[in-house]
Amino acid sequence: GAGVSQSPRYKVTKRGQDVALRCDPISGHVSLYWYRQALGQGPEFLTYFNYEAQQDKSGLPNDRFSAERPEGSISTLTIQRTEQRDSAMYRCASSFRSGEVTQYFGPGTRLLVL
Amino acid sequence: AQTVTQSQPEMSVQEAETVTLSCTYDTSESDYYLFWYKQPPSRQMILVIRQEAYKQQNATENRFSVNFQKAAKSFSLKISDSQLGDAAMYFCAYNQGGSEKLVFGKGTKLTVNP
Repeated sequence: GAGVSQSPRYKVTKRGQDVALRCDPISGHVSLYWYRQALGQGPEFLTYFNYEAQQDKSGLPNDRFSAERPEGSISTLTIQRTEQRDSAMYRCASSFRSGEVTQYFGPGTRLLVL
Repeated sequence: AQTVTQSQPEMSVQEAETVTLSCTYDTSESDYYLFWYKQPPSRQMILVIRQEAYKQQNATENRFSVNFQKAAKSFSLKISDSQLGDAAMYFCAYNQGGSEKLVFGKGTKLTVNP
């Protein structure tokens, strides 16, 4: 595709429910990143994939958060047993290859946990 | 850990005038990259400009230019001939060479007055 796409764009869920956020990177980009952006803040790194391998998950806040990219393209960020503090914009980015520092961001998924 | 500081939460400029947004960063590394991203009301995250630390020449992209002062660890963005479409949140970001994560500042909200 022309750019990074994310779905859904908006997600409202009740506390305790699981949510899955999807990211489709730019075609041909092998590196994929997830960030979380709280209101009034800059994005914060969550995790990074090179092809299908999760290379760095140091930013995932706790074990309720997980991510996968099984075929090296589309990625899913899953939050289990959501809490109100999980409400934020979740952004995906991709880059052409590992070591290519310029990252291109998707439109984000705004998550609201009631 | 590297930190990025944007000391101006809000700035305003008259259409067609010039404005400078400030960013400072803290690192002990010599190999790194700096970026400015624009986040308009649509909440997209758009790359504006990139600077490699090893380059002495300041990066320029049309009306956007940077003043990179490596010794002072300063990376300001100058927008010339400001347009209404420049109104957005602007985020400064740092990437350490060899790392895949971006570290963002808290952003500066730019208002362009007609």
